[in-house]
Amino acid sequence: KQEVTQIPAALSVPEGENLVLNCSFTDSAIYNLQWFRQDPGKGLTSLLLIQSSQREQTSGRLNASLDKSSGRSTLYIAASQPGDSATYLCAAFKAAGNKLTFGGGTRVLVKP
Amino acid sequence: EPEVTQTPSHQVTQMGQEVILRCVPISNHLYFYWYRQILGQKVEFLVSFYNNEISEKSEIFDDQFSVERPDGSNFTLKIRSTKLEDSAMYFCASSEWARGGRIYSNQPQHFGDGTRLSIL
Repeated sequence: KQEVTQIPAALSVPEGENLVLNCSFTDSAIYNLQWFRQDPGKGLTSLLLIQSSQREQTSGRLNASLDKSSGRSTLYIAASQPGDSATYLCAAFKAAGNKLTFGGGTRVLVKP
Repeated sequence: EPEVTQTPSHQVTQMGQEVILRCVPISNHLYFYWYRQILGQKVEFLVSFYNNEISEKSEIFDDQFSVERPDGSNFTLKIRSTKLEDSAMYFCASSEWARGGRIYSNQPQHFGDGTRLSIL
């Protein structure tokens, strides 16, 4: 059974600092891995999707890496801004099962 | 940009009552999902739906739950007899069918804003 873990559970940084968010998964036979942003009381906004054959994916200030063999993905957010404050979730998709398995999220606070 | 829409945003129901949560997936998507998030816990998978049938369901999705695509646009989740522990945020998601004949989509899942279900 796939288990997805995100450490730390919470992170506070001053504005301008780079953010590094970690995600680990126990079953490396994933099809892809997706990163989401969740604002309080809101839905999930898809940020990046990395296919199992890719090593990294970039979108603006966001860069996500994937190391399937070690069961890890990292989301980097460059030059953080107060508007980046939110909870960031990673989720692994395994084709056999047709479902996402989510981590518990990292709650990020960027202080002005 | 197209989005997944869910109604209502908040539903309050007495224990034992039936509730129907509604979703309008993105129009060209063929895979549909329901997830839930109990306050302070992880987002959990409930069910996936493709080609008018359930393709996968979790242990949570017991006989009290059902899904339906009654027309070409709506996707509903019904809970027949609600319990206190059904209180959660329920998210609908949809994704595109990957071209090339693959069964499983490799496209991002897009989520709605959720329905907060409160059982009294």
